[in-house]
Amino acid sequence: GAVVSQHPSWVICKSGTSVKIECRSLDFQATTMFWYRQFPKQSLMLMATSNEGSKATYEQGVEKDKFLINHASLTLSTLTVTSAHPEDSSFYICSASRGQGAKWQPQHFGDGTRLSIL
Amino acid sequence: AQSVTQPDIHITVSEGASLELRCNYSYGATPYLFWYVQSPGQGLQLLLKYFSGDTLVQGIKGFEAEFKRSQSSFNLRKPSVHWSDAAEYFCAVGPGHNAGKSTFGDGTTLTVKP
Repeated sequence: GAVVSQHPSWVICKSGTSVKIECRSLDFQATTMFWYRQFPKQSLMLMATSNEGSKATYEQGVEKDKFLINHASLTLSTLTVTSAHPEDSSFYICSASRGQGAKWQPQHFGDGTRLSIL
Repeated sequence: AQSVTQPDIHITVSEGASLELRCNYSYGATPYLFWYVQSPGQGLQLLLKYFSGDTLVQGIKGFEAEFKRSQSSFNLRKPSVHWSDAAEYFCAVGPGHNAGKSTFGDGTTLTVKP
């Protein structure tokens, strides 16, 4: 089946640093990738949608300058949390989908990245 | 606006017992409904989906769900639970053409007693 690899799985860093999270589709071309944030015992909140080769579309309330998303190829999207602070600590999950537009394509989720900012 | 309510935050069942997880949704058009499972520290795996047609849908791992339009519900069921089913379960609703725009419920944690 389709595999999405997310790296790193866990990162701890000091406040003020920037952290990059990678999301790779290993065996298919992901036209669309999604980034979610999940707080403990809560649901997934969609942060942004990225389509290969174009700018990401951010959900309302998500700071685009804070959470930089790049989808440079059909197999790789990155989320960079810039100048991270403790309130950015969370579980970040990416998903990838083959399609966009009218035809539904399933999302394939990565295993998530637990980000802890000290 | 679309929304999903999972009334049960935590459910405990004995291994071998039957399971039903509740999901109620609000959606302005014909809903596309999904159930996902999340093991600790991992991403989500799609269990099943409903787009149209037969209101009883079969999924992986022996799960099924029934769409009831009159009750705005999409409850997940399994006849006999296995210890490996212990996980977090999310119901989601959204437009079929854009999977990422799905709205997720807050999840139900399933504990399985030996």
